[in-house]
Order: sequence, then structure tokens, then C-alpha cells
Amino acid sequence: DAGVIQSPRHEVTEMGQEVTLRCKPISGHDYLFWYRQTMMRGLELLIYFNNNVPIDDSGMPEDRFSAKMPNASFSTLKIQPSEPRDSAVYFCASSPFERQETQYFGPGTRLLVL
Amino acid sequence: GNSVTQMEGPVTLSEEAFLTINCTYTATGYPSLFWYVQYPGEGLQLLLKATKADDKGSNKGFEATYRKETTSFHLEKGSVQVSDSAVYFCALSYGSNYKLTFGKGTLLTVNP
Repeated sequence: DAGVIQSPRHEVTEMGQEVTLRCKPISGHDYLFWYRQTMMRGLELLIYFNNNVPIDDSGMPEDRFSAKMPNASFSTLKIQPSEPRDSAVYFCASSPFERQETQYFGPGTRLLVL
Repeated sequence: GNSVTQMEGPVTLSEEAFLTINCTYTATGYPSLFWYVQYPGEGLQLLLKATKADDKGSNKGFEATYRKETTSFHLEKGSVQVSDSAVYFCALSYGSNYKLTFGKGTLLTVNP
């Protein structure tokens, strides 16, 4: 059974460019989470969805960040325009309704903004 | 608000040594508690969990007991292996929103 799939695994871009990160959750999972991991701030929850609907986006840093989940098998996190301080590893995680507190993480996207 | 504090790393041990990584939490009510592990270059994986006071979570030789009186969930293993080298995260979840609050993580390196 495939786990959470994220793409790309690595992204290098220049300041001001648009960046789109992609996530495919585990089939049948109802919850999807986006996290950011940095050395300074650790793991931060950015936003999460339940049945494709955003429930809590209080962790989204600013208006440059946006996330969508158009269907149960796909989500995107977009940064426009990107800045060097956005450099981090971004993780997507999903969880099933019957074990909502157990999250399954993808391998992450390592983003470097120059 | 809810928070998790875990011991600062890095922790370096020799193979077969005893491991303890301390974790304490602050929360209103009784949260569920977790340990996640992150191997190099990978995402986090659930290692073990406990959902109520005095529960003991265990997996792969690791154990942690939910201590309400000391608000702690310390991770232990009697004999570590080189393959246990990873970053370990303590986390809690409280209420119906199932958001996880993570500690900063503790890097463990086990030398042969």
C-alpha cells in the first residue's frame, strides 16, 4: 500500500518565483495536514483539511502561502512570491477518520529559495 | 496553550546502552501522547502512543508511560542499536481537532 506521496522531493528556486508543492494522501484518509520543518522553529502545522475542506489555517505564515485540496487524492501548497526565509522541509501527512490522531507522513519536499 | 518540552540533544550513545529521552507536556485536560521518529531523509513515523493516564505505549523495544502526576511521557529503550539513530519527537493531541503539537526533537546517534 503506497504511503503519502510528495513531489518534488527537492526544489531550488530564486526569490520572487512561485513554488508549488504537491501531495497525494493515503487512499481513504479523511484528514490532510501540511507542516513546515526548520532548525530554528522545529515542526509547525500550517494548515489541515477534513474531507477536502480547510479546517484550520492559523499556522499559515502570511498571504504569500495558500493551500488547496480540490479532491480527496490531491493537495497543493503554493508560495507566491517565495522568499529565502521560506527555505525549509515541507511535509504532508494524512490520517484516517477512525484513528484521526495517528498521522502518516510523506517524505517531505526540501525547498531552497536563493 | 498546549506545549511539549523534550530534552535538548544531541544524544550520543554506544550500542547496547540504555536510552532515556525526557518529555513533559502542558495541556488543559488529558491529551493523547505520542512519540514519532524521523530517520535521515525521511518523514516522521509513529513509534508509539498512549491515550490515557498510566497507559504504556511500546514498539520495537521502545516504551513510554503516560504519567499524569508528573505530566511526562519519557521514552526509554533498554539496549539501543546503530539502526536507532534518528530524530525523536514527542507530541500531544488534545480535543476533537486532532492537531498534533510537537516538541523540538532530539537527535540520537548510536555508535557501534
